[in-house]
Amino acid sequence: QSALTQPASESGSPGQSITISCTGTSSDVGGYNYVSWYQQRPGEAPKLMIYEVSNRPSGVSNRFSGSKSGNTASLTISGLQAEDEADYYCSSYTRSTGGSTLYVFGTGTKVTVL
Amino acid sequence: QVQLQASGPGLVNPLGTLSLTCAVSGGSISINNWWSWVRQPPGKGLEWIAEIHHGGGTNYNPSLKSRVTISVDKSKNLLSLTLTSVTAADTAVYYCAKNFDTALDPWGQGTLVTVSS
Repeated sequence: QSALTQPASESGSPGQSITISCTGTSSDVGGYNYVSWYQQRPGEAPKLMIYEVSNRPSGVSNRFSGSKSGNTASLTISGLQAEDEADYYCSSYTRSTGGSTLYVFGTGTKVTVL
Repeated sequence: QVQLQASGPGLVNPLGTLSLTCAVSGGSISINNWWSWVRQPPGKGLEWIAEIHHGGGTNYNPSLKSRVTISVDKSKNLLSLTLTSVTAADTAVYYCAKNFDTALDPWGQGTLVTVSS
């Protein structure tokens, strides 16, 4: 199972919006509405930002939103703030060739606030 | 709120066995939930390793399945991971996490394991 494809980097000025893409296949992203997104600041553990494509956990800012079209999921950060500077990873539920549960992560995107 | 804290040996010899534990606090590991291990090589991305349910059900990443065992100790509220025949490619920060439906939340702080002689 290959990693999901994300752009290596995205950047934007404070207040702007950016969108990070996450491209998989019909066997993972396209096959299930089980895409999640994680924010990871340097030296910290990942933090869940979006689950099941577009749901925000309690406490996550509504500036973060998720969507999916076909085999590509997207994370949009609106009103970009300095604190949003971090690495972002997508993840999708899938099934291994043996039929058991498997989670695949994206390659990661470094977000820079200019 | 559940909290997790992974711990490990720090340094493991090549071809040796890596053993990690994850202490779960603020809640019981025996609730109806799955628990996972994820690793991240230095400067690289995340890789899901395995998950376990307190009832004993397990799922493994096929790329690691032959070398990995995940387990729970209900009496100690501990999650464990064993990885055998380690090489430099297994050098990583290892995280434990609570499954939240098909996502992972929260994550423990992670423990760095270096494979080197």
